[in-house]
Amino acid sequence: GAVVSQHPSWVICKSGTSVKIECRSLDFQATTMFWYRQFPKQSLMLMATSNEGSKATYEQGVEKDKFLINHASLTLSTLTVTSAHPEDSSFYICSATPETGRRSSYEQYFGPGTRLTVT
Amino acid sequence: GEDVEQSLFLSVREGDSSVINCTYTDSSSTYLYWYKQEPGAGLQLLTYIFSNMDMKQDQRLTVLLNKKDKHLSLRIADTQTGDSAIYFCAESRDSSASKIIFGSGTRLSIRP
Repeated sequence: GAVVSQHPSWVICKSGTSVKIECRSLDFQATTMFWYRQFPKQSLMLMATSNEGSKATYEQGVEKDKFLINHASLTLSTLTVTSAHPEDSSFYICSATPETGRRSSYEQYFGPGTRLTVT
Repeated sequence: GEDVEQSLFLSVREGDSSVINCTYTDSSSTYLYWYKQEPGAGLQLLTYIFSNMDMKQDQRLTVLLNKKDKHLSLRIADTQTGDSAIYFCAESRDSSASKIIFGSGTRLSIRP
């Protein structure tokens, strides 16, 4: 149990276009989903926290108009990188926390990541 | 402030024990985690420990927590080639794991 998927796993896009990345919790309902960014050989940096049905909370320094997050259901969150540029190339990882009240609600389950390359 | 630090590299011989160390600065950390990341993949939660515990053992993994020194370690017994990965130490402050702070990761390599 507690599987999180991401789609696509790898995407190459041209500069100026927008890319949408999906994060799904496959076998549990996630009240909260998180989006991280990881540069090569570096740690994960939290970008934003999204709760189903409400606006995402962005970390300091993350442009909310550039990284649009939608958490429309308890099993799906999307991250859209708008007007992507080469410096947006990175590994984007999402995670999900099971609904509160479950024993494992303190755990985050991570997706396999999406590698974005902007040319 | 929030800071989690780890050494960047560790090389051990196959069959030996690996010990990966981590220090953190936030004394209000409640949950401490070890995650494993294999090349090109997401993170896999290996184990976690609550701040009121000193030690946790799970098969080949032993986690030691020294809360006074804010020091966390992960020991992998009988290290195998499949253990090659990056290991992230992480901490969070509340029970809903609303924000996890990750260390920089320790790259573990296994030599024959």
